[in-house]
This record gives sequence, structure tokens and C-alpha cells, in this order.
Amino acid sequence: DAGVIQSPRHEVTEMGQEVTLRCKPISGHDYLFWYRQTMMRGLELLIYFNNNVPIDDSGMPEDRFSAKMPNASFSTLKIQPSEPRDSAVYFCASRRPSGQGASEQFFGPGTRLTVL
Amino acid sequence: SQKIEQNSEALNIQEGKTATLTCNYTNYSPAYLQWYRQDPGRGPVFLLLIRENEKEKRKERLKVTFDTTLKQSLFHITASQPADSATYLCAPLDNYGQNFVFGPGTRLSVLP
Repeated sequence: DAGVIQSPRHEVTEMGQEVTLRCKPISGHDYLFWYRQTMMRGLELLIYFNNNVPIDDSGMPEDRFSAKMPNASFSTLKIQPSEPRDSAVYFCASRRPSGQGASEQFFGPGTRLTVL
Repeated sequence: SQKIEQNSEALNIQEGKTATLTCNYTNYSPAYLQWYRQDPGRGPVFLLLIRENEKEKRKERLKVTFDTTLKQSLFHITASQPADSATYLCAPLDNYGQNFVFGPGTRLSVLP
């Protein structure tokens, strides 16, 4: 398996522009997570899906952020309009059904977003 | 609200020594605790999971303990090597394996 795939790996944009980050989870995983990582705030959960349904989006900073998961193999995180404070590394992660335990998350390589 | 703390932002140790990293949590009673490793420019990678009814878990040179009374987990790397240099993150989880919050991480540097 190729692991979690994210694109683009790097994105540089200007303030006010729309940014779309993409993620392909590992096949068979039914959880998908979007995280943001900065030096100041560490790794923060933005939203997660279970079976393509958003379960908890309380970490989404504001209405400028939105996420979708139209099918089991694809998710997007959109920022519109983008602001310099959105600059961070955005990670997507997926997890297989946990059953009676807690299975680990598999992280993608991340997208480094810079908003000028 | 729950709070997760990891000892010192950075830890430097000499090669061959045992590194001990701490994860403390408050206002929370996790049923599981996971540890991840993150290298610069990469996503976190899962290392170990320990359950609340397990006192200790080992994997090769790694050892994790979980003390629900102290609300603390310790992560040990024995016979440390420069290749162990990375940031280590803890992540407590609830009974359902949910509550996806990570600690701030400890950056470990093993000096040759």
C-alpha cells in the first residue's frame, strides 16, 4: 500500500486566495483526520470523518475552513479566503476500524502551506 | 478542559544512555495511550499503545509505562542511538479509542 497520499506537498499562495488540500486515505480505513501543525500550537485536530461522515469539526478555526469527503478514497480541506495565519503544515491521517481497541493513525507526508 | 503536557520541549542525552520522556494529563482519564515519533518534514509514525490495565509495554529498545494514579505515562528508549533523535508525541485516547488530541511533543537529541 502506498500509505496516505496528500497533495500538493507545498503550496504558496497570496492572502485572499482559495486553497484546496487533497488526501487519499489508505484503502480499508474508515476514519480520516485533518490536522494542522505549527510551532506555537503543535498538532491540532481540525476535523475527522467516519465512513465519509463528518463526526467532529469543532477544531475547524472558522467558516473560512471547510472539509469534504465525497467517497471513501478522497477528502479535501478548503480554505477560502486564505490568510497569513493559516500558514502551517496540514496533515491527513487515516485509521482502520478500531473494533474493541484503539488502532493507530497513519499520517500522510503533509502539505506545507505558506500564505503571503 | 483536558490538558496534556510533555516534559521539556527538548531533551539532550549521550548515545548509549536511556532516554526517558514524560506525558502528563489532567482533567481526563484515558483508557489508552499512544506514542508517536515524528521526524522533521514528515508525519508522525505510531510506535506503541498501552492500555490502562497494562502497567508496562515493551517493543525492542522501547518501553512505555502507564500510571493512572499519577496520570502519567513514561516512554523509555534504552541504549539510545543518534538515529533515535526525533520528536516524540503522546496521545491519550478514551474508552472508544476516540479523543484525538496530541501532546506538544518532546524533541530528543541523542549525541554521539
